[in-house]
Amino acid sequence: DIQMTQSPSSVSASVGDRVTITCRASQGISRWLAWYQQKAGKAPKLLIYDASSLQRGVPSRFSGSGSGTDFTLTISSLQPEDVATYYCQQPDSFPLTFGGGTKVQIK
Amino acid sequence: EVQLLESGGGLVQPGGSLRLSCAASGFTFSSYAMSWVRQAPGRGLEWVSAITGSGGSTYYSDSVKGRFTISRDNSKNALYLQMNSLRAEDTAGYYCAKHRGDYRFEFDIWGQGTMVTVSS
Repeated sequence: DIQMTQSPSSVSASVGDRVTITCRASQGISRWLAWYQQKAGKAPKLLIYDASSLQRGVPSRFSGSGSGTDFTLTISSLQPEDVATYYCQQPDSFPLTFGGGTKVQIK
Repeated sequence: EVQLLESGGGLVQPGGSLRLSCAASGFTFSSYAMSWVRQAPGRGLEWVSAITGSGGSTYYSDSVKGRFTISRDNSKNALYLQMNSLRAEDTAGYYCAKHRGDYRFEFDIWGQGTMVTVSS
């Protein structure tokens, strides 16, 4: 199974700050990587697929990069509505696996 | 509007059974793979099972293999999860999720979830 490891587990930043979340796969997955945002009490929402492709309707302050085993989600200018937990997921092979999540809060 | 609506959750005793349903609308259901993803209270996301658009291929996590069965009825735009031999560790919110394509394995639409509690 492919293990997905996210860091940090939580981050607190000010409005307007740049926030970076990393995700590492236990083996190479090319660019098969998705990022989700989950707000409290809500279902997850797809932000990025194929490591860097922005899902329709997602603000351009969200971006993704990486390939192989190391990936990054960046929020270029943190907004209050971005408070959520973010998960990476590998769609490369079964069993599909998620990272442990990164909780983003406003300082 | 693309929509997924889960139902069938509830309280069940250990060893019991439950059948979850997911009603899909707003897209050509048979053209997309579907999955069930669960989330234990206060925990992260865990993929449970997937099924291709035709229903011809199914996939399971090791934690549910042999106990859960995924199926779909494309004539009814419905996805199901039959859960048998339930354990306390199956307690979670269960989400129905649409894949981006039939052989794409990330999830672009999620339902609101249905809660399953396994307890005596």
